[in-house]
Amino acid sequence: KNEVEQSPQNLTAQEGEFITINCSYSVGISALHWLQQHPGGGIVSLFMLSSGKKKHGRLIATINIQEKHSSLHITASHPRDSAVYICAARNRDDKIIFGKGTRLHILP
Amino acid sequence: KAGVTQTPRYLIKTRGQQVTLSCSPISGHRSVSWYQQTPGQGLQFLFEYFSETQRNKGNFPGRFSGRQFSNSRSEMNVSTLELGDSALYLCASSLDPGWFTGELFFGEGSRLTVL
Repeated sequence: KNEVEQSPQNLTAQEGEFITINCSYSVGISALHWLQQHPGGGIVSLFMLSSGKKKHGRLIATINIQEKHSSLHITASHPRDSAVYICAARNRDDKIIFGKGTRLHILP
Repeated sequence: KAGVTQTPRYLIKTRGQQVTLSCSPISGHRSVSWYQQTPGQGLQFLFEYFSETQRNKGNFPGRFSGRQFSNSRSEMNVSTLELGDSALYLCASSLDPGWFTGELFFGEGSRLTVL
């Protein structure tokens, strides 16, 4: 079983919908990044979380350390949000572990 | 400011050869980490360097090695290439190795094909 589990694996939604992507981890972590990868490979870090909630534009990320869970929300989704979203966590051994990613497709 | 630069962007090797990939971090960043991405396994952590020292290493065989120079540029080497080493190799740079500053910047990757 992967130490970091993401859901859903694939998500198709209409433009304007509210999107939620979940990341659950089974080990203790010190920090977690949400990453965005567009076709072609380039990866961008959207947020780093160690506690609480962060917001940037239409994106909101939350983490609950006790429940070992983080969520990424996209409000008013747009076709340009179509990408693969990956959560990456730094565990207590200081190793970096990844979810398998969520492929998001926003239809115009 | 210039981003993370990885070279070469694409390369083709044959089984048994060795390959060296280079990563130049953002100016001022002293931490460089390396990752392998394949369709089957997704992203996997290779190793992380800070101030020329390897801080930690993922679960890869000894054929995978790396180093970091005094100017923070990093190289990784894969010896005795196998077909399964075909992948996108990504590096990322940050100010600190623990992610405490929150910023992590990725390069575009080096796509290795092993024939």
